[in-house]
Amino acid sequence: GENVEQHPSTLSVQEGDSAVIKCTYSDSASNYFPWYKQELGKGPQLIIDIRSNVGEKKDQRIAVTLNKTAKHFSLHITETQPEDSAVYFCAATPFYSSASKIIFGSGTRLSIRP
Amino acid sequence: EPEVTQTPSHQVTQMGQEVILRCVPISNHLYFYWYRQILGQKVEFLVSFYNNEISEKSEIFDDQFSVERPDGSNFTLKIRSTKLEDSAMYFCATTASGSSYEQYFGPGTRLTVT
Repeated sequence: GENVEQHPSTLSVQEGDSAVIKCTYSDSASNYFPWYKQELGKGPQLIIDIRSNVGEKKDQRIAVTLNKTAKHFSLHITETQPEDSAVYFCAATPFYSSASKIIFGSGTRLSIRP
Repeated sequence: EPEVTQTPSHQVTQMGQEVILRCVPISNHLYFYWYRQILGQKVEFLVSFYNNEISEKSEIFDDQFSVERPDGSNFTLKIRSTKLEDSAMYFCATTASGSSYEQYFGPGTRLTVT
């Protein structure tokens, strides 16, 4: 069945440095790839997404890249700040309709060292 | 900004008891989902719901689970006879109609079965 693998499981970076989280997916029908940030005690918050018709998308300090051939996608956070500390989930979905389920990766706990 | 809300925030119940988790979707959203997250694990899809019908359900969503939207506003998840392994965070998510991809998550209900 569909599967999304995410690495690393934990990541610690110095404040101001960049962080990269990588994911792979198994279902070639996947065409929508959201990234969620989850802070302690809260629900996942959508921070950026990318659709299969583009290879890269950027929003201020956050960027996502997608390689459909290799079934890889990545999240890049530049100039990291303490408030970036959280668990980040990549996800994939074959978008057939607005009722399509999201398949989540296992999460990356990002810690920003001051 | 409109948000998905969930009640209660924490529910403690004894094994074998019935529980109902409630969600109030964003007002113009028509597609609804339940996900769960066992402590320290990934977020897992349970069920999607549209036009008063289940669109898709996972293997987790067995006969002990049911969903409904009884009054046109609340979207509920019922577990008829809770088991210890049902202990988890349960998240409601909603999507607007049409070609919307984005799913917006509520803050979750922590269910503890003792």
